[in-house]
Amino acid sequence: KNQVEQSPQSLIILEGKNCTLQCNYTVSPFSNLRWYKQDTGRGPVSLTIMTFSENTKSNGRYTATLDADTKQSSLHITASQLSDSASYICVVSASGGSYIPTFGRGTSLIVHP
Amino acid sequence: DAGVIQSPRHEVTEMGQEVTLRCKPISGHNSLFWYRQTMMRGLELLIYFNNNVPIDDSGMPEDRFSAKMPNASFSTLKIQPSEPRDSAVYFCASSLASLYNEQFFGPGTRLTVL
Repeated sequence: KNQVEQSPQSLIILEGKNCTLQCNYTVSPFSNLRWYKQDTGRGPVSLTIMTFSENTKSNGRYTATLDADTKQSSLHITASQLSDSASYICVVSASGGSYIPTFGRGTSLIVHP
Repeated sequence: DAGVIQSPRHEVTEMGQEVTLRCKPISGHNSLFWYRQTMMRGLELLIYFNNNVPIDDSGMPEDRFSAKMPNASFSTLKIQPSEPRDSAVYFCASSLASLYNEQFFGPGTRLTVL
């Protein structure tokens, strides 16, 4: 069964600090992995996408890494801002024609001033 | 483009009433997804359409739930009769059916069943 596990479930940090969110998956055969950001009261928005051959991808202060061998991904947020407070959801898609991705439960991040 | 449009944004109803949620996908997208999100279970896929045809409805919780997509620009999710445990945020998302299938989500409908 395809599964995506995220940790921690929730995280509180001070503004300006860095943090790292983790994602482990068992989706196979692997196609791609996305990190979504979901602000309170809004739908998720894609931050990055990573394919099998990519190890690192950055989007501003967000840097995602992928280790396809261990089936792990991380999302690193640098110099956090109050606007980073949101839920971060890891989503993994399988290859082979299925367009139904597997969603993680998300990590809730709160950035305090 | 206005993005995925959902209506209503909020719905409060009494147990036993029929509820209809509406979605207009992004023009040109050929895949449409309905999700339910709760604190306990996170995002759950209810049903997926491709080219207006339901492909996978295994996530629909029970026969009280039904979804239609009569054309490429409109879809509905209906709950009849509604129950308090149906209270959740319902998201509609659309995408191009491609290998890099980014889904674009609507703002969601917050449903409260009393």
